[in-house]
Amino acid sequence: EAGVAQSPRYKIIEKRQSVAFWCNPISGHATLYWYQQILGQGPKLLIQFQNNGVVDDSQLPKDRFSAERLKGVDSTLKIQPAKLEDSAVYLCASSLAGNSDSNYGYTFGSGTRLTVV
Amino acid sequence: AQKVTQAQTEISVVEKEDVTLDCVYETRDTTYYLFWYKQPPSGELVFLIRRNSFDEQNEISGRYSWNFQKSTSSFNFTITASQVVDSAVYFCALSEANTGTASKLTFGTGTRLQVTL
Repeated sequence: EAGVAQSPRYKIIEKRQSVAFWCNPISGHATLYWYQQILGQGPKLLIQFQNNGVVDDSQLPKDRFSAERLKGVDSTLKIQPAKLEDSAVYLCASSLAGNSDSNYGYTFGSGTRLTVV
Repeated sequence: AQKVTQAQTEISVVEKEDVTLDCVYETRDTTYYLFWYKQPPSGELVFLIRRNSFDEQNEISGRYSWNFQKSTSSFNFTITASQVVDSAVYFCALSEANTGTASKLTFGTGTRLQVTL
């Protein structure tokens, strides 16, 4: 079974520029998450999708961050404009929807390491 | 609100020593899940264990063991006879146990384990 695919692996941009990250979840996984992991901290949820609908985006800085999941499969996360404090690893994860067993299928991608200079 | 505390920022041990990583959590939910993840230098999050809140039986998997104590809200992780390959950052995490949509994970800040020869 293929894992969660993310690209790019690394990205360096200047502040105020825009950047987009892409995630392809495991086939059949209805739930998709974007987490932000700042150096030295644990991952923090930015947004959670159930199919193509948003379940939780309470911690997404909506003035600069946006995310979409067209057709309930792939997802893109965009930052516009980027700030220095956005430097972090952006992790995508997916899981089966529904009952408690879904958390066993909670699989993370390798992440995109963003550096804003 | 959910919260996970990993008070140990960094631990250094010599190979073959036993080491325990502490995790204390807070939640108002009566049912929940607790997790441990390993994050090696390559960056991906590797699932180690999930434990239901209603199951306090300790678990052992090879050199790994977990001690869940609901009375003290702790879910500690012990590595027996540590090896250099165990060097990584270890995260404790907590999620709701919904029967509907899969739940987000709330992570601790992680404990960096360094195992030397």
